[in-house]
Amino acid sequence: AQRVTQPEKLLSVFKGAPVELKCNYSYSGSPELFWYVQYSRQRLQLLLRHISRESIKGFTADLNKGETSFHLKKPFAQEEDSAMYYCVSSNFGNEKLTFGTGTRLTIIP
Amino acid sequence: EAGVAQSPRYKIIEKRQSVAFWCNPISGHATLYWYQQILGQGPKLLIQFQNNGVVDDSQLPKDRFSAERLKGVDSTLKIQPAKLEDSAVYLCASSNGQLSNEQYFGPGTRLTVT
Repeated sequence: AQRVTQPEKLLSVFKGAPVELKCNYSYSGSPELFWYVQYSRQRLQLLLRHISRESIKGFTADLNKGETSFHLKKPFAQEEDSAMYYCVSSNFGNEKLTFGTGTRLTIIP
Repeated sequence: EAGVAQSPRYKIIEKRQSVAFWCNPISGHATLYWYQQILGQGPKLLIQFQNNGVVDDSQLPKDRFSAERLKGVDSTLKIQPAKLEDSAVYLCASSNGQLSNEQYFGPGTRLTVT
C-alpha cells in the first residue's frame, strides 16, 4: 500500500525566510506526487503536481526517486502562505489519492 | 463554475443513531469520491464512483457505512448505526476522470458523535 510521511506536524517560519516542508513516500509502481493546500476557512485544493514541473505561488517541489522524497520549497515565505499542507501520492493511471498527515505552516510576521 | 456542494455542514448525533450526508459534484464530473478525515490525520478515501458505478470501496466499513450515486450525479453517504470513532470531517470530491486530473473538494461535513 502507498504511504506518505510528513515528519513535521507544525512548522513556523519568519516572513522572508526560506520554507521547506518535508515529504517522503513509499515506492510502488509509477508514483505521482502532489501537494494539496488548505487555507483558513477554504477548501482543500491542489497546489502543484510533480509532472507539471511548475512553480505555483513561488513554491516548487522536485521528485527525488532515489530518496523517495517530494519536499516543497519556497525561497521567501509570505504571510499568506500560512496554511495546512498535505503531500499526496497516487499510482500513475489510478486516481486513488493517499494523503500524508499534513504540516501546518505558520508564517511569523 | 460552481464548486462541489455538501450538506449539512455540521451534524451532531448520539451513538447508535443514523446520519446521511449529501454531495453534489461539479457539473460534468464523472468521478466522485468520499473521504473521511479524522482530527490530526489526512483524508482517507472511503469510496470512489465512476458515474453511478463503484470503482473502489475497499476502505469503506460496509457493516455500517453505505453510499450511492443515483443517476451518476448526486451522492449520499450514510452511517447506520454511528459509533464514537466516526466523529470526523466527511469530504466529497469530484474530478472529470482524466489521468492525473485534479480533484475538487467540497467544504466538508463535520460529524460529532456523542
